[in-house]
Amino acid sequence: GQQLNQSPQSMFIQEGEDVSMNCTSSSIFNTWLWYKQDPGEGPVLLIALYKAGELTSNGRLTAQFGITRKDSFLNISASIPSDVGIYFCAGRPTQGGSEKLVFGKGTKLTVNP
Amino acid sequence: DTEVTQTPKHLVMGMTNKKSLKCEQHMGHRAMYWYKQKAKKPPELMFVYSYEKLSINESVPSRFSPECPNSSLLNLHLHALQPEDSALYLCASSPSTSGGANEQFFGPGTRLTVL
Repeated sequence: GQQLNQSPQSMFIQEGEDVSMNCTSSSIFNTWLWYKQDPGEGPVLLIALYKAGELTSNGRLTAQFGITRKDSFLNISASIPSDVGIYFCAGRPTQGGSEKLVFGKGTKLTVNP
Repeated sequence: DTEVTQTPKHLVMGMTNKKSLKCEQHMGHRAMYWYKQKAKKPPELMFVYSYEKLSINESVPSRFSPECPNSSLLNLHLHALQPEDSALYLCASSPSTSGGANEQFFGPGTRLTVL
């Protein structure tokens, strides 16, 4: 099946630092979604991207849909302790039907105050 | 209302019990999903309902039985579960399953423990 490679697997940063994580695929996607999940809770949608090259911001978060349609990145600026959690990328491949999302394995973010 | 709600929040059941998980959304979404999530792993798709009809079953064992009574409600009936079925069960909804702008919104999940 299709897979997304999400990196890094984990990050340990100081409060105030900027963070960058990305997802890549061997196949073309027509949608990229970024979610944040806190322990014991459901994933919360942060940003949705639908067009190649699209750059979208949500507060301190910025995400881009790669030009090749095979990758996406998420940046968090000026991190704060509540940014702690697991960030998942998810994509909708152009082949194989549009009902399923393919998820990355997640990036665990730890922010030291 | 932009929420997906799930009940119960936590559930502990024995292997011979029958229980149900419930999910509700009032966003007018026509697609609803059940996912299973193990610790430190991404969600795994179990079932997809589109316009109240089951459209995808990801080869889920029959001890899990989904039901979609109407466009706002989704149930997951559980019977004769195994300890390895213990996980966080997530419900999600999206406007539809085709076309663009079909982001999925997740509920808070039900933490299931099978003894």
